[in-house]
Amino acid sequence: DAGVIQSPRHEVTEMGQEVTLRCKPISGHDYLFWYRQTMMRGLELLIYFNNNVPIDDSGMPEDRFSAKMPNASFSTLKIQPSEPRDSAVYFCASSTSGAPLLNEQFFGPGTRLTVL
Amino acid sequence: AQKVTQAQTEISVVEKEDVTLDCVYETRDTTYYLFWYKQPPSGELVFLIRRNSFDEQNEISGRYSWNFQKSTSSFNFTITASQVVDSAVYFCALTRGATNKLIFGTGTLLAVQP
Repeated sequence: DAGVIQSPRHEVTEMGQEVTLRCKPISGHDYLFWYRQTMMRGLELLIYFNNNVPIDDSGMPEDRFSAKMPNASFSTLKIQPSEPRDSAVYFCASSTSGAPLLNEQFFGPGTRLTVL
Repeated sequence: AQKVTQAQTEISVVEKEDVTLDCVYETRDTTYYLFWYKQPPSGELVFLIRRNSFDEQNEISGRYSWNFQKSTSSFNFTITASQVVDSAVYFCALTRGATNKLIFGTGTLLAVQP
């Protein structure tokens, strides 16, 4: 089975540009998570969805960040406009509420974003 | 508030040594889950183990073992006879109650020297 798929794997952009990160969760998983990893702040949960509905976006740093999940197999994280401090690795993860895998999150390979 | 503390920032051992990675957590929830994830140099996060708050049995999986003690709010991870391939950053994580919201520790970088 395919795991969580993220694209692109690497993104280099200039300050002020719009960036869109994409994620395809594991089929059948009803939870989807977006994380950011930086040296300074470690792994931070940005937002998560349950059945395509945003449940907790308290980790979204500011209005420049937005996330959507239009259907069960696709989600996007958008940064507009991007800033150098947004440079990080962004992970998408998915999980299922069905036992015995309750709470186990499967992570994608991450997108390394560099904002110049 | 929930918190996970991994006090060991970096550990360096020589191959075949045993090593224990410490994890201390704080929570007011009675139901919660604890996890360990491995992040090798390639960058992906790999699930190692999940333990719920009602199950304090220690677990062994090959060279890996985990010691969960609610009395000290600790969930430590031991690698026996370490190997170079064990070199990675290891994260301990805690759920917010019975939700899927994971709170990660800052990670411990383990370097196993040949």
